[in-house]
Amino acid sequence: QMQLQESGPGLVKPSETLSLTCTVSGGSISSGGYYWSWIRQHPGKGLEWMGYNYYSGSTHYNPSLKSRVTISVDTSKNQFSLKLSSVTAADTAVYYCASEGDRGAFDIWGQGTMVTVSS
Amino acid sequence: EIVLTQSPATLSLSPGERATLSCRASQSISSYLAWYQQKPGQAPRLLIYDASNRATGIPARFSGSGSGTDFTLTISSLEPEDFAVYYCQQRSNWPPGYTFGQGTKLEIK
Repeated sequence: QMQLQESGPGLVKPSETLSLTCTVSGGSISSGGYYWSWIRQHPGKGLEWMGYNYYSGSTHYNPSLKSRVTISVDTSKNQFSLKLSSVTAADTAVYYCASEGDRGAFDIWGQGTMVTVSS
Repeated sequence: EIVLTQSPATLSLSPGERATLSCRASQSISSYLAWYQQKPGQAPRLLIYDASNRATGIPARFSGSGSGTDFTLTISSLEPEDFAVYYCQQRSNWPPGYTFGQGTKLEIK
């Protein structure tokens, strides 16, 4: 069964770039039909979809973040990554990677990683 | 952007009771409507997809219904482990993207 695992720094300084990686196990990231997404949750708040990289390589981002976010796939490492530039304290959140297998729903999630933006 | 509004914000019930959670979309959406359960410190877990299909391993007491703009998650008889926060979510084909409702907290009365 496919599993996802986030990794990356738990503390990022304001104005810097947040970088996280999601490692896919139990399946191939280059197999067809998956949307590889990042979703975040501010402390005590709801869920916010940030963007996806489709297995074909196309990407789409939340318009509220579009200018700052990049999601890329590394098929050689079976990973996909998130980069969020020019972070502020408002980007402090738990970041989840998740996959959607064209059912319109995220059926596989990582356990989440807390990222704090602070000097 | 399609906005999903969940109600109520908080629902207080006892084990054994029936829970009915609502999700209303700001415009008619496709059947790409999903429901998730989230417990403290955990990632969300998919319960329902395509409005009414239970995900793998989800107990039969969970059911989803609805179409157009109004959707419902029903838990027929609450178990102690069902008390959590529930989110609905939709997928748009154009522009591509996803939105979540703000959540309903199901708490023990």
